[in-house]
Amino acid sequence: AQSVTQLGSHVSVSEGALVLLRCNYSSSVPPYLFWYVQYPNQGLQLLLKYTSAATLVKGINGFEAEFKKSETSFHLTKPSAHMSDAAEYFCAVTEGGSARQLTFGSGTQLTVLP
Amino acid sequence: DAGVIQSPRHEVTEMGQEVTLRCKPISGHNSLFWYRQTMMRGLELLIYFNNNVPIDDSGMPEDRFSAKMPNASFSTLKIQPSEPRDSAVYFCASSFRGTSYNEQFFGPGTRLTVL
Repeated sequence: AQSVTQLGSHVSVSEGALVLLRCNYSSSVPPYLFWYVQYPNQGLQLLLKYTSAATLVKGINGFEAEFKKSETSFHLTKPSAHMSDAAEYFCAVTEGGSARQLTFGSGTQLTVLP
Repeated sequence: DAGVIQSPRHEVTEMGQEVTLRCKPISGHNSLFWYRQTMMRGLELLIYFNNNVPIDDSGMPEDRFSAKMPNASFSTLKIQPSEPRDSAVYFCASSFRGTSYNEQFFGPGTRLTVL
């Protein structure tokens, strides 16, 4: 069975500081991993995805994530936070194949301080 | 290209009333998912369809909830009778099942308030 754990339900950073949002997964087969962002009163938008190609994945808005199999992690980073990055971020996993469901983490609320 | 369309965006109703939420997936997508999001429980998958056929409805909370997908371009989620604990944001998402992974595209959601 697949699962996702997001460490830290709330993260605060100063504008211009590094953003690091943590995600660990559990999967019985090589996983496909995703980060979604949800702005207030909106649906979820795909930031980036890992689909077994390059382990360092670049997404929109300057975000990137690195797949580390040995650590079962897929942490999301951005070198310099912007006020517009304030949102909730969800990590998700699927085992692909016949298991088409995404399993989402509980989300991390990112606050960017001026 | 329009994304996933949901209606209504907001719904306020009284306990005991029937509520119908609507979703139009992205054209060409053949998988459709209904989610519920609350502060207490986060994002929960309620049901999903492949090629208009319900595949897994184990997330549907109880018999008061039902979902249909009569064709590839339309799905409904119905709650009858509604209860205050059903208050949540309901999201519809669609994907193309031809890929080995499952990138889902989400609609803007319907915010349901049951008084």
